[in-house]
Amino acid sequence: DAGVIQSPRHEVTEMGQEVTLRCKPISGHNSLFWYRQTMMRGLELLIYFNNNVPIDDSGMPEDRFSAKMPNASFSTLKIQPSEPRDSAVYFCASSLPPGVNEQFFGPGTRLTVL
Amino acid sequence: AQSVTQLGSHVSVSEGALVLLRCNYSSSVPPYLFWYVQYPNQGLQLLLKYTSAATLVKGINGFEAEFKKSETSFHLTKPSAHMSDAAEYFCAVSSSGGYQKVTFGTGTKLQVIP
Repeated sequence: DAGVIQSPRHEVTEMGQEVTLRCKPISGHNSLFWYRQTMMRGLELLIYFNNNVPIDDSGMPEDRFSAKMPNASFSTLKIQPSEPRDSAVYFCASSLPPGVNEQFFGPGTRLTVL
Repeated sequence: AQSVTQLGSHVSVSEGALVLLRCNYSSSVPPYLFWYVQYPNQGLQLLLKYTSAATLVKGINGFEAEFKKSETSFHLTKPSAHMSDAAEYFCAVSSSGGYQKVTFGTGTKLQVIP
């Protein structure tokens, strides 16, 4: 089992550029989460998908952030335009239906916006 | 609404000493509770979880946690710290009904002193 796969692992970009982060969940998992981790704010849930449908996007910071899950094996998180305050580690996690089931985290994408 | 509070953002113990990381939860319904560990430059991974069965839960790497409803606590312990235990530990809570969103605590960094 390959686990949750995220790409790229590191991204450095300039303010104003579009950034796309990618995630492949574990096969068979029907729940997918995007988190952002910073020193100041800790681990924040950005969006939660169940069966490819966004269920809770209340954590998405603003309209510059968007997420899609076109099929059960792929999701993207896009930031456009990016700003320095978006610099963080972004994690994707997948699980069977949430609640009692553990979430499996990917290795994260470290984003630096200059 | 649900939340967890982790007491102490940093904890230092000597190698071989008892590890005690504190977590208190708040939940309007019977909770599910989790401890995750994050090693540097990695995603979170599950240590153990409580799902309303036995109140003393044993996890990986010799860790265990006890659910105490009267104290609304779920503290993590390990009898003897090892250098490899140095990491950040997150307590998390999920509800047993409804949306079942998982809420993470702010994390406790464990330092093990040789």
